[in-house]
Amino acid sequence: SQQGEEDPQALSIQEGENATMNCSYKTSINNLQWYRQNSGRGLVHLILIRSNEREKHSGRLRVTLDTSKKSSSLLITASRAADTASYFCATLTQGGSEKLVFGKGTKLTVNP
Amino acid sequence: DAMVIQNPRYQVTQFGKPVTLSCSQTLNHNVMYWYQQKSSQAPKLLFHYYDKDFNNEADTPDNFQSRRPNTSFCFLDIRSPGLGDAAMYLCATSSQLVKPQHFGDGTRLSIL
Repeated sequence: SQQGEEDPQALSIQEGENATMNCSYKTSINNLQWYRQNSGRGLVHLILIRSNEREKHSGRLRVTLDTSKKSSSLLITASRAADTASYFCATLTQGGSEKLVFGKGTKLTVNP
Repeated sequence: DAMVIQNPRYQVTQFGKPVTLSCSQTLNHNVMYWYQQKSSQAPKLLFHYYDKDFNNEADTPDNFQSRRPNTSFCFLDIRSPGLGDAAMYLCATSSQLVKPQHFGDGTRLSIL
């Protein structure tokens, strides 16, 4: 069953604006990861945040994690047309066999 | 420079005709995964190999099998494809289960 749920399902913004995507999950996690998928391509890992971390940055990406609310957000600042893609959060379950469970994703469109 | 390579990118097979998808990696990673992704859905884990140890997901149909003859190669065999098996099949690798995954560009499977 799905662990992560992204919100919104689709987001359309203008180049230069910031994009925020949210992810909620249900059970305890080891870490939470964000991936990008361009149309017809494989997924590309963006950033990993551990369960004991609250915020992480990588270039124009900022990820937050609130384990008490079981939620995470991905912020892309100063978006570019090349950021157009689907973004997935994925949670690594804890205990027993670790596996990555993906949410349904947010489809981001950045208009030039 | 490609690190996880999937062949072919597009595969067409007939209903009930066995098909094999292949994946190779140059990363020397311990873990190789196979995911099924249907249109606008999250990738769904079918199974993974940790070295030679095979780990099947409980809800993966018996129709799906996998082989990993060596570290570099992993195959997905669909014994009797049904129309519902039409999807993108993604191969991924990671050095450890808790580490980020590196994906190939997938094989899009169509069933006639």
